Amino acid sequence: SYELTQPPSVSVSPGQTARITCSGDGLANEYVYWYQQKPGQAPVVVIFKDSDRPSGIPERFSGSGSGTTVTLTISGVQAEDEADYYCQSADRSNTHWVFGGGTKLTVL
Amino acid sequence: EVQLVESGGGLVQPGGSLRLSCVASGFTFRSYWMTWVRQAPGKGLEWVANIKHDGSEQSSVASVRGRFAISRDNAKSSLYLQMNSLRAEDTAVYYCARVEGEWSYPYGVDVWGQGTTVTVSS
Repeated sequence: SYELTQPPSVSVSPGQTARITCSGDGLANEYVYWYQQKPGQAPVVVIFKDSDRPSGIPERFSGSGSGTTVTLTISGVQAEDEADYYCQSADRSNTHWVFGGGTKLTVL
Repeated sequence: EVQLVESGGGLVQPGGSLRLSCVASGFTFRSYWMTWVRQAPGKGLEWVANIKHDGSEQSSVASVRGRFAISRDNAKSSLYLQMNSLRAEDTAVYYCARVEGEWSYPYGVDVWGQGTTVTVSS
């Protein structure tokens, strides 16, 4: 298995663009999912299979990637976006999963 | 409405056992891989185990292998996690979750339960 590395924190002002990165050797060949978790709540998927957005997730959430680093971008950040964000991927050789350590997004 | 409801959490002494259950509704349970994910207090998410649609294939994180067993009963739309030889470091909220994509390979989650809390302490 491998590890996924995220920055512990990202801070932006309302209306700005937040970018949260996730790095790992296996990411070049595997899908990435992004989850948002607010305090005391279960996680919610905001991006699946690298760049697809589930119904009900605002268009300001997008996912992109290049090689071993992928990025969750939140355009026009709103106060309600303040949360912890986790990337997650799978190792297809053994169906094991790995999560990044999480990034706390603070909206100033 | 797609829903996952966990139960079975509680306080248990080190070395003890617990069985977590998760009842699914609102979708064809037998068509999906399922998974357990946990979160220790103040920590990040940690994958625990996956199970295939028909239960014929399972995988788990190294730290629980040999102690935890994931299983399912498709007739009851239920997922289980049997936890034995529990340790203090197993203390966490345990989430039942549906793998995204009907009949799909397990890449990630699209639906989460609300979680059940397990506390291992003497």
